[in-house]
Amino acid sequence: SAVISQKPSRDICQRGTSLTIQCQVDSQVTMMFWYRQQPGQSLTLIATANQGSEATYESGFVIDKFPISRPNLTFSTLTVSNMSPEDSSIYLCSVEDGPYTEAFFGQGTRLTVV
Amino acid sequence: QKEVEQNSGPLSVPEGAIASLNCTYSDRVSQSFFWYRQYSGKSPELIMSIYSNGDKEDGRFTAQLNKASQYVSLLIRDSQPSDSATYLCAVNPTGANNLFFGTGTRLTVIP
Repeated sequence: SAVISQKPSRDICQRGTSLTIQCQVDSQVTMMFWYRQQPGQSLTLIATANQGSEATYESGFVIDKFPISRPNLTFSTLTVSNMSPEDSSIYLCSVEDGPYTEAFFGQGTRLTVV
Repeated sequence: QKEVEQNSGPLSVPEGAIASLNCTYSDRVSQSFFWYRQYSGKSPELIMSIYSNGDKEDGRFTAQLNKASQYVSLLIRDSQPSDSATYLCAVNPTGANNLFFGTGTRLTVIP
């Protein structure tokens, strides 16, 4: 199973600013996934990050708001841009061992926008 | 239409009882199914995976899959207070790279 280090674990940010979340995996993986979990809700996929290509965003999420980098097979970042209180949420990065296998998660980033 | 449906609960059971959690999914040809446990403020952790019809047991946990009825369940025997958490059902629909998660069922085990 993959070990994923995600940071920061939490942050409190002013509205209008941006926060970059980092995710480091202990092995090479083809795809990395970024999820959002709003209070009391389940996980919603933001985008899939592939190394060497643009991230693929889900409906309702756009690159200008959530730019993603994937410089190599073990690392990815998600930026939450021009934040508003509605962006307060837990953000999780995830990887899978292969097709149709389980997902492993980082520790999550609890973001509060004030 | 949601891919994965769960009763949101909350579900309360006394310590030592069996907790039964249910999940239905919409993609008839989904191939892989998972149960995750999520403690408050923590990220989801995998409890069970199941790929074939029938039961799969691991300690106090049993996952049950019925592809014809498109449901998957999780039984927790001898429930402990430490089992109190939100349980997420996840399905990998055909052609999807990622898992689809249900809304989760909050379980409370009462000492």
